[in-house]
Amino acid sequence: EPEVTQTPSHQVTQMGQEVILRCVPISNHLYFYWYRQILGQKVEFLVSFYNNEISEKSEIFDDQFSVERPDGSNFTLKIRSTKLEDSAMYFCASNFRRTDGELFFGEGSRLTVL
Amino acid sequence: AQTVTQSQPEMSVQEAETVTLSCTYDTSESNYYLFWYKQPPSRQMILVIRQEAYKQQNATENRFSVNFQKAAKSFSLKISDSQLGDTAMYFCAFMKGLTGNQFYFGTGTSLTVIP
Repeated sequence: EPEVTQTPSHQVTQMGQEVILRCVPISNHLYFYWYRQILGQKVEFLVSFYNNEISEKSEIFDDQFSVERPDGSNFTLKIRSTKLEDSAMYFCASNFRRTDGELFFGEGSRLTVL
Repeated sequence: AQTVTQSQPEMSVQEAETVTLSCTYDTSESNYYLFWYKQPPSRQMILVIRQEAYKQQNATENRFSVNFQKAAKSFSLKISDSQLGDTAMYFCAFMKGLTGNQFYFGTGTSLTVIP
């Protein structure tokens, strides 16, 4: 069964460093998302991406964050200069139809900022 | 703004018994979807069940069913004949209909099925 895959599963970085989290969505999906979950808190929406552009983003997704789909298969989240409060589990998700409702999630990438 | 509240951080149930997980939400939208997602330990979140707000009939998927009370903005999940594989974190989620793009999640309920 097709799955959303994410790498790395865990990354430790120093504050101020750039981090790239990678995702391979399910191949025929058209909508792509990043969510994050700070330990003990809710899963929060960061950004959605469709047709090679951001379709919606939350207030969390500030100028330090960017997304791209460089090669038609990978979907990346870049954090330009990490802060301690960026430590969280980051989930990639995709779906075929936005209104279908069902999101297919990856296992998550745990980011620890020291 | 939409909010989703799960007031039970942890629950446990004996194998083969029935358990109900609570979820309430707040929205001014009239058209929306509600979901329960399951996240087993170290695995990805998967959809358990979905309910369209315009449907009065409660959704059912095998051993999983919901009690959707639109006026009360309540959306509980009932798991019948609980199995060890049901042990997981369960998230209630809301999505605005049609133009919806982002999901709003609750904080989750950690369910343990006891053999």
